This record gives sequence, C-alpha cells and structure tokens, in this order.
Amino acid sequence: DVKVTQSSRYLVKRTGEKVFLECVQDMDHENMFWYRQDPGLGLRLIYFSYDVKMKEKGDIPEGYSVSREKKERFSLILESASTNQTSMYLCASTQPRDWTEAFFGQGTRLTVV
Amino acid sequence: RKEVEQDPGPFNVPEGATVAFNCTYSNSASQSFFWYRQDCRKEPKLLMSVYSSGNEDGRFTAQLNRASQYISLLIRDSKLSDSATYLCVVRSNFGNEKLTFGTGTRLTIIP
Repeated sequence: DVKVTQSSRYLVKRTGEKVFLECVQDMDHENMFWYRQDPGLGLRLIYFSYDVKMKEKGDIPEGYSVSREKKERFSLILESASTNQTSMYLCASTQPRDWTEAFFGQGTRLTVV
Repeated sequence: RKEVEQDPGPFNVPEGATVAFNCTYSNSASQSFFWYRQDCRKEPKLLMSVYSSGNEDGRFTAQLNRASQYISLLIRDSKLSDSATYLCVVRSNFGNEKLTFGTGTRLTIIP
C-alpha cells in the first residue's frame, strides 16, 4: 500500500520559533509537494521538488523554505513562525511525467500562538 | 481571477438524488484534469481523472469541455457516504508538474 507519512498530525508552536514539518514517501516518487489548506482558499502550493536537492517556489513561498536531501524525504521549514502560518499543511508525491495520481500525507494541523 | 474556480456550496442533497458540480479553469495550456475527494479532517484522495471523451465510474461521471474550459462531475443515486468536499484539480504538462486546486465544493447528503 502506497504511503506518504507526515511526522505530526497536530503541532502547536510559539511565534518566532523555527518549525520543521517532515514528509516521507515510500513509493520512490521523484516529485514532492508542500501545500497549505485554509478555509475558502483551498490548497495552495508552497514549494515543490522534482529531484533530490532540487526545489522550486510555488504560489506562496514567503516565510517558508524546504530541504530535500534524500529522495524519500521532503521537509518544510518555517524560519520564524507567525500566527498567519496557522494552517493545515499537506505533503504530496507523484511520479515524474504522465502520472495520474498524487498521493497525500494525512496532514499536519499547525497552530502558531 | 483564480486559476481554478468552483462553487463552494454547500450543497445539501437528499439521498438518492443526482447532483452536479462544475469547475472552470483559466489556463488554456492545462492538460490533465482530476476530481479529488476530501473527507472531513482527512487528506484529499483521487476520485477520478477526467478525459476529453468523458468517463464514467459507477455512479460518477466526469466531463471535460476544453472549448469552454470547464469540468463537471455528476453523481447519480447519491449515498450518505458521498458526503465530502470535492476538489477540482488541474495540471499543466508544460514546464513544471504543478497541480492547481479549486477551493472545493462541499456536499452533504441528507437521509
């Protein structure tokens, strides 16, 4: 059974903290994505990576960075957490080219207080 | 204008009824189209891909109209278990592999 696993389901952090969200996939997928999901705004792409050590900005990269040191792991970093980064964060992975399905992790509900 | 637009609903529909959702996209270079389903507090999961010729999977029918740039999903004989948020998803095959999501349409089936 294919699997994308996010390290935490729920996380509470303080303003200004550096936050790491981890995502691991066991499908040997090339592409990995980080989204955030907010009511009325849907899923918005933060960053994506199509290979190890490669990354590209999505639609809302400000305040975030990413790391992809190994193919199976894609980390999202909030350099200095702010209350407007309170959200549901979803990681996804796909095969490269002509793929037909994106697989999502279970999501991390981050609250910044 | 958003790249992918959906009516957010909510749609409250009696069990057994037929319900249809539409979605419009703005990027004419978009090549691949999908409907995802998201249950409350869960991750999105693929419901079905949408092909130019239209496709059917049991009670679900998806249609694509490239000329008008819209995608539709029809659910017949709706079940209580169909209650979920339905996400319209568009991918461009040019350049990066980015997926763009609509905000989702919330459906509640009423007994």
